[in-house]
Amino acid sequence: AQSVTQLDSQVPVFEEAPVELRCNYSSSVSVYLFWYVQYPNQGLQLLLKYLSGSTLVESINGFEAEFNKSQTSFHLRKPSVHISDTAEYFCAVGVPYSSASKIIFGSGTRLSIRP
Amino acid sequence: NAGVTQTPKFQVLKTGQSMTLQCAQDMNHNSMYWYRQDPGMGLRLIYYSASEGTTDKGEVPNGYNVSRLNKREFSLRLESAAPSQTSVYFCASRGSWQDPRAYEQYFGPGTRLTVT
Repeated sequence: AQSVTQLDSQVPVFEEAPVELRCNYSSSVSVYLFWYVQYPNQGLQLLLKYLSGSTLVESINGFEAEFNKSQTSFHLRKPSVHISDTAEYFCAVGVPYSSASKIIFGSGTRLSIRP
Repeated sequence: NAGVTQTPKFQVLKTGQSMTLQCAQDMNHNSMYWYRQDPGMGLRLIYYSASEGTTDKGEVPNGYNVSRLNKREFSLRLESAAPSQTSVYFCASRGSWQDPRAYEQYFGPGTRLTVT
């Protein structure tokens, strides 16, 4: 079975400061890893994903995440945040080609940006 | 292309009442899911349907039933609502593993349900 742990439930930062949202996972098989973002009163949207290949993956709005197999981590980073990044962020893990087709989500990290 | 749609957006029920949450997708996806979201607990899978005609229990199925009416529609039914079912409910869908974006789940806007 797979599980995901997001170590921080809330992260407050000042605008233009860097941020790191931490995510650790456990799995006995190879997995896909995802970060989803949920803006207030909306559904979840995929932010970025790691499937294979380069361990550093990037989103179109400046976020990046690095897959670290030895530490079973997939932390999300941004060098300079904006007010518009205020949202809840969910780390998730999925098993490719599994018949169950499920994705397991972490408990979420609420990112709040102070001006 | 509307993606994943859910109705209703909001609902208030009294304990013991029943209701059905509707979900539809227009992306020709095989797999569909129902999640509930509660503060501090992330998303928990209630039921899923890997393909038309099949349904399976997720992490928290008690008190719910589902119907995969056809490839497009996947409904969630609360037969006798309880206050513990107060939550935000999300429907999602995903293509087959042959789909180039098979890894991505597409979410609806959610239904906010309050049971008093």
